[in-house]
Amino acid sequence: GQNIDQPTEMTATEGAIVQINCTYQTSGFNGLFWYQQHAGEAPTFLSYNVLDGLEEKGRFSSFLSRSKGYSYLLLKELQMKDSASYLCAVKGGTGRRALTFGSGTRLQVQP
Amino acid sequence: DGGITQSPKYLFRKEGQNVTLSCEQNLNHDAMYWYRQDPGQGLRLIYYSQIVNDFQKGDIAEGYSVSREKKESFPLTVTSAQKNPTAFYLCASSNLGNEQFFGPGTRLTVL
Repeated sequence: GQNIDQPTEMTATEGAIVQINCTYQTSGFNGLFWYQQHAGEAPTFLSYNVLDGLEEKGRFSSFLSRSKGYSYLLLKELQMKDSASYLCAVKGGTGRRALTFGSGTRLQVQP
Repeated sequence: DGGITQSPKYLFRKEGQNVTLSCEQNLNHDAMYWYRQDPGQGLRLIYYSQIVNDFQKGDIAEGYSVSREKKESFPLTVTSAQKNPTAFYLCASSNLGNEQFFGPGTRLTVL
């Protein structure tokens, strides 16, 4: 089976840096995705990691350690519009071509 | 413009009725997916299809049915057997191995 854990809620200040963690246990591993979802809207793709290390894309970076079953999403220079839910999703091994999503972390950015 | 469309945006159903949610994509993606999202929760996989005329059950397929007669279309029927169908339904598509793109969603309410 597959299990993904993320914190339920986080609060941070505008202009600051926040790290959202995700741990997973899967039967097989073919990549980890991060999505952003504003309330009432569809998720939008942020990043993809399949090898260990850090992937940087503007203000957002994502890190993966496959041996530890661990990833984090790092958001820098936080803006009010970054208030959203952040979903960690894992693509498992053979026989499971779809993503398994965590419950999401609701981030509130305060002035 | 390329993308995924879902209709309707809001749908109301009486208990005991079947209802079909539409999902169309013009991205030429091979794979399509249906997810259900309940308030404050992550996405749970209902069904997915990797190729025309083929589909697989996800984690919560009971009470739902799908068809994939055309590459562009993957309709989802919520049957009367689904005991708690009120939720936000999201359709997605991808080329195998790549990130999923999501439609705007359909919010279904059972009266």
